[in-house]
Amino acid sequence: EAQVTQNPRYLITVTGKKLTVTCSQNMNHEYMSWYRQDPGLGLRQIYYSMNVEVTDKGDVPEGYKVSRKEKRNFPLILESPSPNQTSLYFCASSSPFQGQTNYNEQFFGPGTRLTVL
Amino acid sequence: LAKTTQPISMDSYEGQEVNITCSHNNIATNDYITWYQQFPSQGPRFIIQGYKTKVTNEVASLFIPADRKSSTLSLPRVSLSDTAVYYCLVGRPRDDKIIFGKGTRLHILP
Repeated sequence: EAQVTQNPRYLITVTGKKLTVTCSQNMNHEYMSWYRQDPGLGLRQIYYSMNVEVTDKGDVPEGYKVSRKEKRNFPLILESPSPNQTSLYFCASSSPFQGQTNYNEQFFGPGTRLTVL
Repeated sequence: LAKTTQPISMDSYEGQEVNITCSHNNIATNDYITWYQQFPSQGPRFIIQGYKTKVTNEVASLFIPADRKSSTLSLPRVSLSDTAVYYCLVGRPRDDKIIFGKGTRLHILP
């Protein structure tokens, strides 16, 4: 089954304790992205990756790191989490470069609800 | 990336047709218009995409006038399960940044 998986789905942590949220897709997509969603602010892009070893900042990159060493994986790293990073996080992937009906159709993971105390 | 403007919220009743309009005055020649649906605590899901005129699939229709400065997502005979947030996006096939915005919160009443 074609899918994007994220782990963990729920995480409660404390300020300053480094954490990683994993994201993996099995659709051979070039493009992967991380979003955060907060009440009243909609969905905001944190980082994206056009392909392996190519990453760039989205609209809200402060406090986050990413890496893209393999095509299928795109982990989100919080080196020193703070309470303002409490949010619902989504990973997504798409393939703008392969022949398909829908351009840039984003496939989303189930989400990770993070609470930083 | 073209900026989009859509209503913050809408209410409708079961069985009605719902039309959500999105304004994108600065749409570029190569931009496509894409709509997503998001249920609470789930990731957005692609609904429909178009470039001009009308596109229809099993879920919705998308109407795009000749000047392409707006688009209308049409949901026929909505049910309670169509209560969700709907996002209008404008962009090119090889775009890097993607902007979802705040979307339109659609509430279907019985």
